[in-house]
Amino acid sequence: GAGVSQSPSNKVTEKGKDVELRCDPISGHTALYWYRQSLGQGLEFLIYFQGNSAPDKSGLPSDRFSAERTGGSVSTLTIQRTQQEDSAVYLCASSLGPPAGKQYFGPGTRLTVL
Amino acid sequence: DQQVKQNSPSLSVQEGRISILNCDYTNSMFDYFLWYKKYPAEGPTFLISISSIKDKNEDGRFTVFLNKSAKHLSLHIVPSQPGDSAVYFCAASASYDMRFGAGTRLTVKP
Repeated sequence: GAGVSQSPSNKVTEKGKDVELRCDPISGHTALYWYRQSLGQGLEFLIYFQGNSAPDKSGLPSDRFSAERTGGSVSTLTIQRTQQEDSAVYLCASSLGPPAGKQYFGPGTRLTVL
Repeated sequence: DQQVKQNSPSLSVQEGRISILNCDYTNSMFDYFLWYKKYPAEGPTFLISISSIKDKNEDGRFTVFLNKSAKHLSLHIVPSQPGDSAVYFCAASASYDMRFGAGTRLTVKP
């Protein structure tokens, strides 16, 4: 009965490096969401998966960001050539499916780009 | 483009009193509204929700009110307890699209 898990919990990287963030949703949840919370800001929607497909990628801040989901389960968010403004807490959530309702959040990955 | 706004970044109340957290939205397509509570170093946890067909939903000490004409919702906590101290996020959704406010930090003083 595990909840949503994310790894790593903290990531410090140098500007220009690539990072990969992982999310393990609750088993059986078909919908998976990625959000970003920058310091002092609310939760910024990044991308949504229904199964393995992402109907809407418009929330991704730039083409350096990409995400995939395999097997209807694990998802990875990849940020290429990281910039300092990418520093934030990246949160993953899952739910039983649309319409968007009660989402269960992971603890987040705190990304710091030096 | 902030479609969901929480204009009060912080709120402080005395234990036992009522806490009222407010939220405004701009998109009339939103049909489901939620409140999440977040403690430091943890992900948000679901607190209470309301569908657009209702104007009130109550769960124990927590009540959410929805005023569709004003595009406004509020969360009432009565009586407030020190353990309620956290950041509260308002969220609104239409289909899969969910938008969050910036959050209000509630401090309940003993």
